[in-house]
Amino acid sequence: NAGVTQTPKFRVLKTGQSMTLLCAQDMNHEYMYWYRQDPGMGLRLIHYSVGEGTTAKGEVPDGYNVSRLKKQNFLLGLESAAPSQTSVYFCASSPLKDSNTGELFFGEGSRLTVL
Amino acid sequence: LAKTTQPISMDSYEGQEVNITCSHNNIATNDYITWYQQFPSQGPRFIIQGYKTKVTNEVASLFIPADRKSSTLSLPRVSLSDTAVYYCLVGDPHSGSARQLTFGSGTQLTVLP
Repeated sequence: NAGVTQTPKFRVLKTGQSMTLLCAQDMNHEYMYWYRQDPGMGLRLIHYSVGEGTTAKGEVPDGYNVSRLKKQNFLLGLESAAPSQTSVYFCASSPLKDSNTGELFFGEGSRLTVL
Repeated sequence: LAKTTQPISMDSYEGQEVNITCSHNNIATNDYITWYQQFPSQGPRFIIQGYKTKVTNEVASLFIPADRKSSTLSLPRVSLSDTAVYYCLVGDPHSGSARQLTFGSGTQLTVLP
């Protein structure tokens, strides 16, 4: 049982390049999230998904796209990377619950540097 | 939007009890309050969750007053390994989906020897 796995863990891009971060969870969770965390800052929600085939914008969605074609995978795409997107990206998943705040299970993070 | 306010940082000594308070004036009726712990270069980890009054588990207690506009995370007898950032999290009552979750800036707890 791996939990939440993010790939790649490290990546260096040049401005304008594109890339995709993959998040995979093996806990059959309904909800998945992508956050970014800048140095010394808290986590900011980029996009989230409440189920297979659905996505929604979070606090800071500009410059990112996401897809949830399979329940276990949540992809985060950068179409044209910018230095402002240099950050650590965390994926999380959560089971379906009645409460509005279910426990989040986080991956280990993906460190992205855009030159 | 449901926002949380926490102290930016706190210092404590080993063996002391630490209380971290979070304000959340816009908490919704059905929202729960959850606290997370984050070590450097790691994703946050769930500590405790509650709805009202007091909740206790093997690592912490959570105190929530009747109006639920604030909550206090209590860590008994902290050790150096408790040095981390602690986040208070509540559901967003104005979101189209009840599952949109927002982290605040967190509290950096430093435990000194």
